[in-house]
Amino acid sequence: ETGVTQTPRHLVMGMTNKKSLKCEQHLGHNAMYWYKQSAKKPLELMFVYSLEERVENNSVPSRFSPECPNSSHLFLHLHTLQPEDSALYLCASSHLQGQGANTEAFFGQGTRLTVV
Amino acid sequence: GESVGLHLPTLSVQEGDNSIINCAYSNSASDYFIWYKQESGKGPQFIIDIRSNMDKRQGQRVTVLLNKTVKHLSLQIAATQPGDSAVYFCAFTLPWANNLFFGTGTRLTVIP
Repeated sequence: ETGVTQTPRHLVMGMTNKKSLKCEQHLGHNAMYWYKQSAKKPLELMFVYSLEERVENNSVPSRFSPECPNSSHLFLHLHTLQPEDSALYLCASSHLQGQGANTEAFFGQGTRLTVV
Repeated sequence: GESVGLHLPTLSVQEGDNSIINCAYSNSASDYFIWYKQESGKGPQFIIDIRSNMDKRQGQRVTVLLNKTVKHLSLQIAATQPGDSAVYFCAFTLPWANNLFFGTGTRLTVIP
């Protein structure tokens, strides 16, 4: 266990559905991330929250909507997804300390999403 | 964007042999480097890290080497075991960035 918990582990949804992915960390970290992992592609950063404020949004389509209500919880709200959005969605957390002092990110087990 | 590339997408080694996984990065300002291991059905797990003021760091059966001159990072696994079979990713950070940049990964297969 890495201290980062994601639910659900697997999700199948239709293109007209609305669902949410949940991530929880109890490591005392101040930053949380959503990554998308597709086959044969590098991990793609989607969103970064630092101190509950979104600090990065890598041109992600609006059908993905993140929410960070507090430093321990992160959500990814999904609506009207496309089949190409099927992937493993990974949540991570880390402690950002500034220049030269960043620490490793701890990842959850991921949610395997299939859009049908 | 920033890129981290891996020289080989797959690597097969005999059990007991040493493994070397390589990684090239593009930005000389990179200040922190990490190796992750990802087993099937799991998220990436931290293996070892190194900061840019070092060129070598050792852990248990693993060694990371950093060559800043050629922007190259390697992971050496001693006495490779079947449990080492996984995909290995290198990642790095930049001083002004809030995230990790990842490579595509190398799949290591250990042959018993």
